[in-house]
Amino acid sequence: SQQGEEDPQALSIQEGENATMNCSYKTSINNLQWYRQNSGRGLVHLILIRSNEREKHSGRLRVTLDTSKKSSSLLITASRAADTASYFCATLGPSGSRLTFGEGTQLTVNP
Amino acid sequence: DGGITQSPKYLFRKEGQNVTLSCEQNLNHDAMYWYRQDPGQGLRLIYYSQIVNDFQKGDIAEGYSVSREKKESFPLTVTSAQKNPTAFYLCASSIVGEGEFFGPGTRLTVL
Repeated sequence: SQQGEEDPQALSIQEGENATMNCSYKTSINNLQWYRQNSGRGLVHLILIRSNEREKHSGRLRVTLDTSKKSSSLLITASRAADTASYFCATLGPSGSRLTFGEGTQLTVNP
Repeated sequence: DGGITQSPKYLFRKEGQNVTLSCEQNLNHDAMYWYRQDPGQGLRLIYYSQIVNDFQKGDIAEGYSVSREKKESFPLTVTSAQKNPTAFYLCASSIVGEGEFFGPGTRLTVL
């Protein structure tokens, strides 16, 4: 079962612009995580936000979480061509035993 | 040099054969996971293990089997009962409840 749904499915921007990706989920969570995947590679963990947190920053990444709306957003500021990848959100349920991944957003940053 | 490794990178199987994918980690993580990824899609959980000698079915366990005899190792066998095994297989490990570290993946093709 896919809990997280990312929006948009695909996003194409110019270098230097900001990129915003959204994730919605259905049931209560322990935490929500964002991952990046370059084509044909494994996923890389970007950031984890807990259910009692509203915003978190890491470098050029900013993640928000609204548990009342069951949604999260990932903002990448001042994007670079190297940011081109698929981005996935994943939710950890209250039992804390496993993640459930969304379908991902394909981000293309044009130089 | 800590990390998680998967082998082989590419694997070809004839119909009716069982094949085993290797996953090893030296991160001292208790939890390990196997995911399947089909083209353009998100990750689906096959099996996971939170402790040695114990594992749980994920969302798509049919046609797969695992073992967890050592903390460092979590091999996945794709059996002949799996009707459509061609996919990209990803192994991950984590401290339970925290972000997952992924291996580079194994691409399995059925001939």
